[in-house]
Amino acid sequence: EVQLVESGGGLVQPGGSLRLSCAASGFTFSSYWMHWVRQAPGKGLVWVSRINSDGSSTSYADSVKGRFTISRDNAKNTLYLQMNSLRAEDTAVYYCARNTRLMDVWGQGTTVTVSS
Amino acid sequence: QSALTQPASVSGSPGQSITISCAGTSSDVGGYNYVSWYQQHPGKAPKLMIYDVSNRPSGVSNRFSGSKSGNTASLTISGLQAEDEADYYCSSYTSSSTLFGGGTKLTVL
Repeated sequence: EVQLVESGGGLVQPGGSLRLSCAASGFTFSSYWMHWVRQAPGKGLVWVSRINSDGSSTSYADSVKGRFTISRDNAKNTLYLQMNSLRAEDTAVYYCARNTRLMDVWGQGTTVTVSS
Repeated sequence: QSALTQPASVSGSPGQSITISCAGTSSDVGGYNYVSWYQQHPGKAPKLMIYDVSNRPSGVSNRFSGSKSGNTASLTISGLQAEDEADYYCSSYTSSSTLFGGGTKLTVL
């Protein structure tokens, strides 16, 4: 079964850091681009970042550029999102999703809460 | 990186058809045939409904269709059913980023 499972969310203070993980299974992870998408409580989907299949190319939304870093370990079939200098407005459910110009497989999401 | 523009809400009765618009620019929706649409029920992860403007993934009902004219894409749902009530999001790939619309809440009356 094709599956993505996020982990690493939690409560963090403003200015703190957190690393999210997304474990992939059931498909050839190293062949696919991957994305992080977030959804603040009661709000819409917002694209955060994407990475190409071998990790050599990344893109970020302006709102997280310079604070978040996307990476992947194809040997471990895992996608990461390192989040630094967290702000209250980063509070959201974070989803990982598969593919390049579309997102055909999504994880169930992990919740990040930034609050003192 | 501006979000794509969708109506906040649309509604329709069972059996009717509705259309949700997604307005962008020549740098995103108009410049690429890479518009996709997602359905999201409360508390659930999004589900891909349409990709590359008008293609349906396997398993998605043919009641869902997509199109594009200029800088605006559209999702049409025909023969509305109660289970279609959900939030719908458009998305456009560009060479430097990926954009989502603000989302449209579909109410089946």
